Amino acid sequence: NAGVTQTPKFQVLKTGQSMTLQCAQDMNHEYMSWYRQDPGMGLRLIHYSVGAGITDQGEVPNGYNVSRSTTEDFPLRLLSAAPSQTSVYFCASSSPKTGNYGYTFGSGTRLTVV
Amino acid sequence: GENVEQHPSTLSVQEGDSAVIKCTYSDSASNYFPWYKQELGKGPQLIIDIRSNVGEKKDQRIAVTLNKTAKHFSLHITETQPEDSAVYFCAAQYRQGAQKLVFGQGTRLTINP
Repeated sequence: NAGVTQTPKFQVLKTGQSMTLQCAQDMNHEYMSWYRQDPGMGLRLIHYSVGAGITDQGEVPNGYNVSRSTTEDFPLRLLSAAPSQTSVYFCASSSPKTGNYGYTFGSGTRLTVV
Repeated sequence: GENVEQHPSTLSVQEGDSAVIKCTYSDSASNYFPWYKQELGKGPQLIIDIRSNVGEKKDQRIAVTLNKTAKHFSLHITETQPEDSAVYFCAAQYRQGAQKLVFGQGTRLTINP
């Protein structure tokens, strides 16, 4: 099992560019989430999904889109990058229906917007 | 929504001593409280969790206590070792069934040899 795989690990974007952060899990987890981590602010929820075809907004959704066409994949799209989106992004998954409430996190994508 | 406050932001202890990190939450409906350890350059890793129907849970050198009345929970690490040095995050799940976690701001724990 690879767990949660995020790509790329590092990315530099220019203001206004768009890109997609990839997230895939091979544990058949129904829940997937995207968090951003900024110094002194912990992790903040961007978007989450309770299953294929179902997504919802978290605390800080503006400027981001998600989709969940399969159980395995949950990409995060930055529509028009802004310097305020410079952060480390983590994808996570869990499976409450099997008693696995704790999130498994990926290793993160460090994004810099210049 | 839920709000989680974590203290202290930094903690330095001598190897072999105990470390305690405390969190408070605001939503009395929250029912799941995990703790994560994050090492440099890595994603957070679940180390222990507790549900609201339990007051204490222990796993070797780490333990978590929960006081639902006061809405606070704590992480206790005994016999600390250098490999315990990391950033620790508490979290609380709100909106039951939605599996949405709100995280504290983190505690940077340093174990001094």
